[in-house]
Amino acid sequence: GAVVSQHPSWVICKSGTSVKIECRSLDFQATTMFWYRQFPKQSLMLMATSNEGSKATYEQGVEKDKFLINHASLTLSTLTVTSAHPEDSSFYICSASPGPFTYEQYFGPGTRLTVT
Amino acid sequence: QQPVQSPQAVILREGEDAVINCSSSKALYSVHWYRQKHGEAPVFLMILLKGGEQKGHEKISASFNEKKQQSSLYLTASQLSYSGTYFCGTVANDYKLSFGAGTTVTVRA
Repeated sequence: GAVVSQHPSWVICKSGTSVKIECRSLDFQATTMFWYRQFPKQSLMLMATSNEGSKATYEQGVEKDKFLINHASLTLSTLTVTSAHPEDSSFYICSASPGPFTYEQYFGPGTRLTVT
Repeated sequence: QQPVQSPQAVILREGEDAVINCSSSKALYSVHWYRQKHGEAPVFLMILLKGGEQKGHEKISASFNEKKQQSSLYLTASQLSYSGTYFCGTVANDYKLSFGAGTTVTVRA
């Protein structure tokens, strides 16, 4: 149980284009979904928290207009990187939790984004 | 504020034990432990809630000292599969999960 899928697993795009990443909880309803970014050999940095049906809460320093998050249902959240630039290249990981922060988070396999 | 993990890295031979520490300057509500293998997403190991509990999964266990705001992860009789980067995540009154910098564990035959 507690499986989270993420699609695509990797994507290469040209600078200026937009990329959408999907995160799905397959066998449980996710009250809350989280989006993280991880640079090589570094820790996970929380980008935003989303609850189904409401606007995402972004962490300080994360551009809301650049990283659009939609939590359409209890099993699906999407992250759209708009007008991507090479500095947006990173490993993006989503996680889903059946409860608030006090509950465990189950991570998706991650999406490797490369912007050329 | 990120919790502080130590050591940064540890190398073990199969069967040896190791301890990874995680400490915070904030009063913690819970501590989470994850393991990440290269190129993969983190995998949930366990969560410890305030109250000074201790948990275990097979030969990996953890403790949470609420008074010291510290948690330790114990790898007992390590196996090759234990290799990876271990992250602690802490939740304080802001209800945000903050991850430590990670501890890289290498288990050699």
